[in-house]
Amino acid sequence: GEDVEQSLFLSVREGDSSVINCTYTDSSSTYLYWYKQEPGAGLQLLTYIFSNMDMKQDQRLTVLLNKKDKHLSLRIADTQTGDSAIYFCAERSGYSTLTFGKGTMLLVSP
Amino acid sequence: EAQVTQNPRYLITVTGKKLTVTCSQNMNHEYMSWYRQDPGLGLRQIYYSMNVEVTDKGDVPEGYKVSRKEKRNFPLILESPSPNQTSLYFCASSTPMNLAEAFFGQGTRLTVV
Repeated sequence: GEDVEQSLFLSVREGDSSVINCTYTDSSSTYLYWYKQEPGAGLQLLTYIFSNMDMKQDQRLTVLLNKKDKHLSLRIADTQTGDSAIYFCAERSGYSTLTFGKGTMLLVSP
Repeated sequence: EAQVTQNPRYLITVTGKKLTVTCSQNMNHEYMSWYRQDPGLGLRQIYYSMNVEVTDKGDVPEGYKVSRKEKRNFPLILESPSPNQTSLYFCASSTPMNLAEAFFGQGTRLTVV
C-alpha cells in the first residue's frame, strides 16, 4: 500500500530556517499536503501542492516537490517559537482517503 | 462558526465496556472520517463515510464500528474496547472533492484499562 515517511524530530533556533522532509511511494498521488498539529489540538492544513508543480510559496512557507524522487519538503523561514508543533505530510491516494506520515516534531528554541 | 465537535474529550473505561464517541459537523459536509493517532505511528484512518448510509473501512478498522444515519453525525463505536485501543481519536469532515481542506475535531483521548 501507499507509504509516507518523515523524520521524527527537528530542532532549530528561533530565526533560523526549518526544513522538514517527506518521501512517499504512490506515484499516482495528485495532491500532497502539509498539516500542523499544535499540542492538544486537531490538524490544521498549512499548504498543499498539486503534483504537476515543483514549488509553491506562501509567506514564510515554501513547499518543494521532486516528483521523480517522490520527495516533498516544507521550508519555514524565520522560524518562531510559535511554529513548534508536529508537522504531518500527507498524500491524496485515490478519491476517498488521505495517507499521513508519522509526523515530524519541530522544536524551536529561543 | 464552522466546526467539528467530538465528545467526550477524555474518557477512561474498562476492557469490554461498550462505548461511543460522537462526532458532529455543522458544515453540511458529505465526507467524514475517523483517525487514531499513536506515538510513532502518526494518523491512521479507521473508517470513512462518503455520504449518509455509505461507510467504508480505512486502514485499521478492526474493533470499531461506525454509522452514518444523518449527514451531520458520524459516531465511532467500540463494542468491546481493549487496551490496544487506547489512543487519541480524531474525527474530520470535508467535501469529497476537497479532502485536504478537512476540518478536524479537537480529539478524544481514550484510555482502556
